[in-house]
Amino acid sequence: NAGVTQTPKFQVLKTGQSMTLQCAQDMNHEYMSWYRQDPGMGLRLIHYSVGAGITDQGEVPNGYNVSRSTTEDFPLRLLSAAPSQTSVYFCASSTGDRGGVETQYFGPGTRLLVL
Amino acid sequence: GEDVEQSLFLSVREGDSSVINCTYTDSSSTYLYWYKQEPGAGLQLLTYIFSNMDMKQDQRLTVLLNKKDKHLSLRIADTQTGDSAIYFCAESLSGYSTLTFGKGTMLLVSP
Repeated sequence: NAGVTQTPKFQVLKTGQSMTLQCAQDMNHEYMSWYRQDPGMGLRLIHYSVGAGITDQGEVPNGYNVSRSTTEDFPLRLLSAAPSQTSVYFCASSTGDRGGVETQYFGPGTRLLVL
Repeated sequence: GEDVEQSLFLSVREGDSSVINCTYTDSSSTYLYWYKQEPGAGLQLLTYIFSNMDMKQDQRLTVLLNKKDKHLSLRIADTQTGDSAIYFCAESLSGYSTLTFGKGTMLLVSP
């Protein structure tokens, strides 16, 4: 199993550009999520999905869109990049056993710089 | 609301024990977790404890939970330079898959 994969590893954007951060998992996990990590802020949840066709907002959803057309993929779209979106983005997946242990598997991260 | 607090930095010498502390505010937490992040990498689950337990030991790791004070700690025995990383405390609520993370504690182990 490859686990959780993310592409690209690094990206530089200009303000106003759009792009999609890719995330895929091959563990047949129902639950997937996107976090951003900023210095001194820890990880903050952007969006999450409890299964194909179902998405919901996390703590900091503004400026980001997601969709979940398959179990495997959960792309994150930046519609019009802003310097405040400079961050490291992590995708995670888990079985989503509600009430049970949540072993979330994290991807290696995408480092995004918005100029 | 949910809030998880951690001290930001801890420095120890190789061979000493490290204790990383965490406090949480939501008494509905079901499981509490410790994740490790090495430089340039994603987060890796180290261990977890169910909210009705007081202690869990896993090799060099000991997790203590004081539910009354909403205090969680991670003790690393015989700390090695390879333990240098950022350690995140996280909680999940009953019936929900979402985790709430603390800001992370950077552990620096010097030879």
